[in-house]
Amino acid sequence: EADIYQTPRYLVIGTGKKITLECSQTMGHDKMYWYQQDPGMELHLIHYSYGVNSTEKGDLSSESTVSRIRTEHFPLTLESARPSHTSQYLCASSEGAGARYEQYFGPGTRLTVT
Amino acid sequence: KNQVEQSPQSLIILEGKNCTLQCNYTVSPFSNLRWYKQDTGRGPVSLTIMTFSENTKSNGRYTATLDADTKQSSLHITASQLSDSASYICVVSDRGSTLGRLYFGRGTQLTVWP
Repeated sequence: EADIYQTPRYLVIGTGKKITLECSQTMGHDKMYWYQQDPGMELHLIHYSYGVNSTEKGDLSSESTVSRIRTEHFPLTLESARPSHTSQYLCASSEGAGARYEQYFGPGTRLTVT
Repeated sequence: KNQVEQSPQSLIILEGKNCTLQCNYTVSPFSNLRWYKQDTGRGPVSLTIMTFSENTKSNGRYTATLDADTKQSSLHITASQLSDSASYICVVSDRGSTLGRLYFGRGTQLTVWP
């Protein structure tokens, strides 16, 4: 099993609150990713990073922001949570960029905004 | 438009039976195709990966096939077990981008009954 961790696993929070979803990996991977997944739907890439101080937006527009100050850590922040942010958020990492590198996924954070 | 379509959307089988899941894709230029298993509330875990030149790959009771000409893949599960209950996701990578863009299907939800 991959050494990539996400906390919290479940979060129920009220509208307007600021939240940070944590993601860390111990594999020394430079590349990290955040995906959003609604029930029964495909994963959508919302952010990725090639390394420290590198962050890019993915294909799906998201009001969240990310930072990459340390190689092993890639947190995602929502400044003001809304019910439309209710979803599962999956973090992943890979050794390199490019199709031949497998992405290893964390267990996900199930976010519910009331 | 690059897409990955999976069928059936859901499937129920009895323990010990075999089943086959289908994946059709339009991703181009094609790099590789992966099948992931995603248990409820967990992140996806890779089962198999196939490149253009490979037409079959096995991992225990899981056997994936690829027809790059017709852009179809299948995942065959032999002698199903209760622990096989999960969502099976077909993921296709293109080789046209530095990132190694992944295109996800919506998954087939497999339920194995005793």
